Amino acid sequence: SQELEQSPQSLIVQEGKNLTINCTSSKTLYGLYWYKQKYGEGLIFLMMLQKGGEEKSHEKITAKLDEKKQQSSLHITASQPSHAGIYLCGGYAGNNRKLIWGLGTSLAVNP
Amino acid sequence: DAMVIQNPRYQVTQFGKPVTLSCSQTLNHNVMYWYQQKSSQAPKLLFHYYDKDFNNEADTPDNFQSRRPNTSFCFLDIRSPGLGDAAMYLCATSRDIPRRASRFYSNQPQHFGDGTRLSIL
Repeated sequence: SQELEQSPQSLIVQEGKNLTINCTSSKTLYGLYWYKQKYGEGLIFLMMLQKGGEEKSHEKITAKLDEKKQQSSLHITASQPSHAGIYLCGGYAGNNRKLIWGLGTSLAVNP
Repeated sequence: DAMVIQNPRYQVTQFGKPVTLSCSQTLNHNVMYWYQQKSSQAPKLLFHYYDKDFNNEADTPDNFQSRRPNTSFCFLDIRSPGLGDAAMYLCATSRDIPRRASRFYSNQPQHFGDGTRLSIL
């Protein structure tokens, strides 16, 4: 099934460092969602982006959707151990009503 | 707080023994979804209910069934679990737009429960 491409697959950063996770689609996205998942738990909704060029921030996390609506980035500023987890992007593309997913980016933040 | 609750968090069953996972929501959302997620993989949609309308994914095995007796509850039944069915099962809900609206897709995020991890002995 069609998937979104996420990069990097995994990331280890030192506490306090900034980081960026990318999510790319081969088709125009009509809704892009970022989720966080801790091991063995459900997905926590972070942010939703719909418009080309849209940018949203919550606490130290900023998500952007490019003008073509095919690429999104999630940026964490001054990372903390509480940011550790798996970040997944999900989106609606083309005429498909089913949410398609990236494979996730595993983030570890070392104190 | 409004939320999506899955029970149990962990379920162990024997090969071939039927098992039921449950999901309840207090969000009053009209759409409920069941996903299967295996280690290091993206969630895989099994089926969803749009109100009372059941929508099965083409590649969902017949072994998987679902019931939605009312808006708040949804169940996943696995009739004869095999070893390959061991996974995390995630329930999600969303408020979708009326189907007669011009937009074809929902723009509302899905809200997930904590999942049920199913093990098969």
